[in-house]
Amino acid sequence: DARVTQTPRDKVTEMGQEVTMRCQPILGHNTVFWYRQTMMQGLELLAYFRNRAPLDDSGMPKDRFSAEMPDATLATLKIQPSEPRDSAVYFCASGSTLNRGQDEQFFGPGTRLTVL
Amino acid sequence: SQKIEQNSEALNIQEGKTATLTCNYTNYSPAYLQWYRQDPGRGPVFLLLIRENEKEKRKERLKVTFDTTLKQSLFHITASQPADSATYLCALDMSGGSYIPTFGRGTSLIVHP
Repeated sequence: DARVTQTPRDKVTEMGQEVTMRCQPILGHNTVFWYRQTMMQGLELLAYFRNRAPLDDSGMPKDRFSAEMPDATLATLKIQPSEPRDSAVYFCASGSTLNRGQDEQFFGPGTRLTVL
Repeated sequence: SQKIEQNSEALNIQEGKTATLTCNYTNYSPAYLQWYRQDPGRGPVFLLLIRENEKEKRKERLKVTFDTTLKQSLFHITASQPADSATYLCALDMSGGSYIPTFGRGTSLIVHP
């Protein structure tokens, strides 16, 4: 049963600390998305990779956030330094442009981040 | 600016009735529209996609309509069950075909037994 995995599931940290979230997309998928979800803003796109190349990170605060795909099985989202306003649930999703039938995204379980 | 609107108020209905959720959008003509379901503490799960040249799409108890003139999609769940209680999100590709969907904030559905 192929699924997107994310670690950690929960993270509590103090303001100013570095936070790294990891995502393993479904094998064979060539697109990866990072989203942030809050009650106020809903689901916001932070970064988008296709074939491991970053295509859109316009939604990401550049001064503190960075996203990378070191290889096809790992995507990372890093926040340095973290701030209380970064508290949210961060989702990773993967998909495939090779299957344009449904264009569906498969979401991971999310990382709940709390910055004190 | 591009905007997606879903009713922020929860929809409460009785079991067995048809639930109808609305997704409105402005200032864009998306090639397709998707509906996802999200349960508390979990990521969204894809349900259906409807393309701009399709008026209606069905899957089991689900029906989606897409009116590009009104810029509106309706999502129906017939014979609703308490297990259908969740938040339902619509998503549109507003990136000009680059497969970068923008999500609405979702509407919570509560089905009472």
